[in-house]
Amino acid sequence: AQKVTQAQTEISVVEKEDVTLDCVYETRDTTYYLFWYKQPPSGELVFLIRRNSFDEQNEISGRYSWNFQKSTSSFNFTITASQVVDSAVYFCALPYNTDKLIFGTGTRLQVFP
Amino acid sequence: NAGVTQTPKFQVLKTGQSMTLQCAQDMNHEYMSWYRQDPGMGLRLIHYSVGAGITDQGEVPNGYNVSRSTTEDFPLRLLSAAPSQTSVYFCASSTGTVNQPQHFGDGTRLSIL
Repeated sequence: AQKVTQAQTEISVVEKEDVTLDCVYETRDTTYYLFWYKQPPSGELVFLIRRNSFDEQNEISGRYSWNFQKSTSSFNFTITASQVVDSAVYFCALPYNTDKLIFGTGTRLQVFP
Repeated sequence: NAGVTQTPKFQVLKTGQSMTLQCAQDMNHEYMSWYRQDPGMGLRLIHYSVGAGITDQGEVPNGYNVSRSTTEDFPLRLLSAAPSQTSVYFCASSTGTVNQPQHFGDGTRLSIL
C-alpha cells in the first residue's frame, strides 16, 4: 500500500538552529515522485520541491536541502540556520496510480526568535 | 494570474443543509482535485478529475458530490451537511497528473453546527 509517514508532529527550535523534518514512505511503484509542501500560518499550501526516484542526489536551494534515500525509503528535509519565517506546517506527499496524491500528516515547525 | 480561486472563504451551515464550494482555475489545467484538512490527519483526497467530464473518488468521498462540465470549474457539493464535515477544504489543480506540482486555492473553512 502507498503510505507517507511524518512521525514528528511538532518541532520547536530557536532561530539559527538547523532542523531536519523526516518523511518515510511506502510504495509498490518502481518509479515515482515525492513532494514537499509548506503551509505557513496564513494557511495557503505552497509547493517546495519534487524529486524523481531516479535521482538520489541531494538537492539544495538556499537554506533548504533535501536528502532522498531509496534504501531507507526516506525523503528528509533540512533547514539550515532556521528563521522565524520558516515557521509552518510541512507536508510530504507521494503520488500513486498517476491520479491520486497521498499526504503525510504534516510536521509543525515553530522557530522562536 | 488568479491561479486557483475558491469561494467562499468561510461558511457556517446547519446540519442537513446543502451547499456548493466553488473552485475555478485559469491555467487550463486538466487535473483538479478536492482535499479536506483536519487536525492531525494531513490532507485527504475527496474527489478528483483528470479532465472535463471525468471524475473519480478519492479516499473520503462519502457525503460529497462533484462534476466537471468545463476545464476551468470543479465544484464540490455537500449533499446533506453533517458535523463530521467541519473542516478546511482545498481545491488544487495541475497540468497532466499528480506527478506535477499542485497549485492550491486558499481554502474554504467550513463549520457545520
